[in-house]
Amino acid sequence: DSGVTQTPKHLITATGQRVTLRCSPRSGDLSVYWYQQSLDQGLQFLIQYYNGEERAKGNILERFSAQQFPDLHSELNLSSLELGDSALYFCASSVTGDSGNTIYFGEGSWLTVV
Amino acid sequence: EDQVTQSPEALRLQEGESSSLNCSYTVSGLRGLFWYRQDPGKGPEFLFTLYSAGEEKEKERLKATLTKKESFLHITAPKPEDSATYLCAVQGPDYKLSFGAGTTVTVRA
Repeated sequence: DSGVTQTPKHLITATGQRVTLRCSPRSGDLSVYWYQQSLDQGLQFLIQYYNGEERAKGNILERFSAQQFPDLHSELNLSSLELGDSALYFCASSVTGDSGNTIYFGEGSWLTVV
Repeated sequence: EDQVTQSPEALRLQEGESSSLNCSYTVSGLRGLFWYRQDPGKGPEFLFTLYSAGEEKEKERLKATLTKKESFLHITAPKPEDSATYLCAVQGPDYKLSFGAGTTVTVRA
């Protein structure tokens, strides 16, 4: 158990809908990362937050957004869902997000868009 | 843009047959090189972080090494429970972690 908690574990929704994925980082970790893993793409970095502020951005679609709250939990919002958004979404956390800090991953949220 | 290439894509080993996995990388300003193990449908499990060329780290049957352009993960006398996908990732100056496609290792008893 990495200590990073993600909910829900599984989610099935229809095209055009909107979903929210939630992540609770490890106790004491200030930095949260979001990744998408699909069969043909591998692990793709989406976005990183540090202590509530956006720190780094990857290839995150405009239909997706994220935020980190004062209690340090984070949410990833996916809207106008398409079939191609079906994937495993991972959250990870680290103490500061700087070098020298181990990045731990949660077990992921399986999203299926039908 | 950071690039990470892992080889081979798949590796089938007999129990006890040692081997190495390769991770070649291109990054401007390496903050760290990470190795993870991932089982199907599970989150990546942290194994090692390496920071500078010449550094080595060991954990049970695994040993990771780092040069300026590549990293190796050596598996010594593997057991069936070492079967997994091994992922390499680099963290550059922009803090994001860029992953390779992984090497899927299958160890037969």
